[in-house]
Amino acid sequence: AQSVTQLDSQVPVFEEAPVELRCNYSSSVSVYLFWYVQYPNQGLQLLLKYLSGSTLVKGINGFEAEFNKSQTSFHLRKPSVHISDTAEYFCAVSESGSARQLTFGSGTQLTVLP
Amino acid sequence: DGGITQSPKYLFRKEGQNVTLSCEQNLNHDAMYWYRQDPGQGLRLIYYSQIVNDFQKGDIAEGYSVSREKKESFPLTVTSAQKNPTAFYLCASSRGPGATEAFFGQGTRLTVV
Repeated sequence: AQSVTQLDSQVPVFEEAPVELRCNYSSSVSVYLFWYVQYPNQGLQLLLKYLSGSTLVKGINGFEAEFNKSQTSFHLRKPSVHISDTAEYFCAVSESGSARQLTFGSGTQLTVLP
Repeated sequence: DGGITQSPKYLFRKEGQNVTLSCEQNLNHDAMYWYRQDPGQGLRLIYYSQIVNDFQKGDIAEGYSVSREKKESFPLTVTSAQKNPTAFYLCASSRGPGATEAFFGQGTRLTVV
């Protein structure tokens, strides 16, 4: 069975500072990994995904994530955050790559402070 | 604009009543999903449908029902059997069951009063 752990439920950070949101997964087979963002009272939007190939994945809004198979991690990073990045971020895993079999983490609330 | 429309945005229900949440998509996607989101928890899959007239239970289907009579529409009924229905409900779709990306609607917040 697959599972996802997001280690931090809340991450406050000052504007223009770098940020890392941590995600670890558990699976007995190869996985596909995703990061979604949710703005207040909105649906989720895909930030980036790792399916295969380069372990460094670039997404929208200047975010990137690195797949580390040995550490079973897929941490999300941004070198300089903006107030508009304030949102909840969800890491998700799928053993098949299919949206039907997504397992989501519990989310990390990123709050960017002025 | 193509997308997924959920209505209403906010819904209040008295205990013991059934209520239906609407989800419509104009993306021509085959697969549709319903998720429930509670504070501090991730999304949990309620039901999914891969094609018209077919749907499968997800992880937390008890107390919910769905139908898929049209490709564009996947309504969710929260029945009186659902013991704790207050939550944020999200509808999503993907091109097909094998597609990697899910597209989400803006959600319906259901409150039982």
